[in-house]
Amino acid sequence: DVKVTQSSRYLVKRTGEKVFLECVQDMDHENMFWYRQDPGLGLRLIYFSYDVKMKEKGDIPEGYSVSREKKERFSLILESASTNQTSMYLCASSFTYAEDYEQYFGPGTRLTVT
Amino acid sequence: TQLLEQSPQFLSIQEGENLTVYCNSSSVFSSLQWYRQEPGEGPVLLVTVVTGGEVKKLKRLTFQFGDARKDSSLHITAAQPGDTGLYLCAGSSVSGTYKYIFGTGTRLKVLA
Repeated sequence: DVKVTQSSRYLVKRTGEKVFLECVQDMDHENMFWYRQDPGLGLRLIYFSYDVKMKEKGDIPEGYSVSREKKERFSLILESASTNQTSMYLCASSFTYAEDYEQYFGPGTRLTVT
Repeated sequence: TQLLEQSPQFLSIQEGENLTVYCNSSSVFSSLQWYRQEPGEGPVLLVTVVTGGEVKKLKRLTFQFGDARKDSSLHITAAQPGDTGLYLCAGSSVSGTYKYIFGTGTRLKVLA
């Protein structure tokens, strides 16, 4: 059974803290993604990675960075958390040559910044 | 920036009714996906359509990709409480890419 796991389901952090969100996939997928999900806005892509140590900015990268040192792990880093980064964060992975380009999602991390 | 607008944003219907959800854009997409997300879970892929005018069926769900590949619809026949969830469309503008833009979402509630 394919699986994408995220390190925490819920996180509460203070403004200015450095926050790490971890994502691990067990499907040997080349591609990994970080999205944030806000009501009425759908999913917005923060960063994605198509290979180890490779990354590209998505639509809303400001205030975030990422790290992919191993194929199965993709980390999202909030360098200095702010209240407007309170959101649901979803990690996903996909196989480059899949016929239907399916993305497999983790259960999400609900981050609250106070 | 490409946008995918979904309508309606919210829908509450009785069990057994039919419904249609729309996904529209001014941009052309090489492929379009529909996902369903249940509370506390990540989205799960329902279907991918790649050809203009294509129609795919998944039990009581019918998906159509517009002829011009700018829009799509999802029709549910005889909705059931198990269909409750957030429906998201996602489009890719470049053929063969693994990067998708997601729509704004339609939250469906089916009452027993």
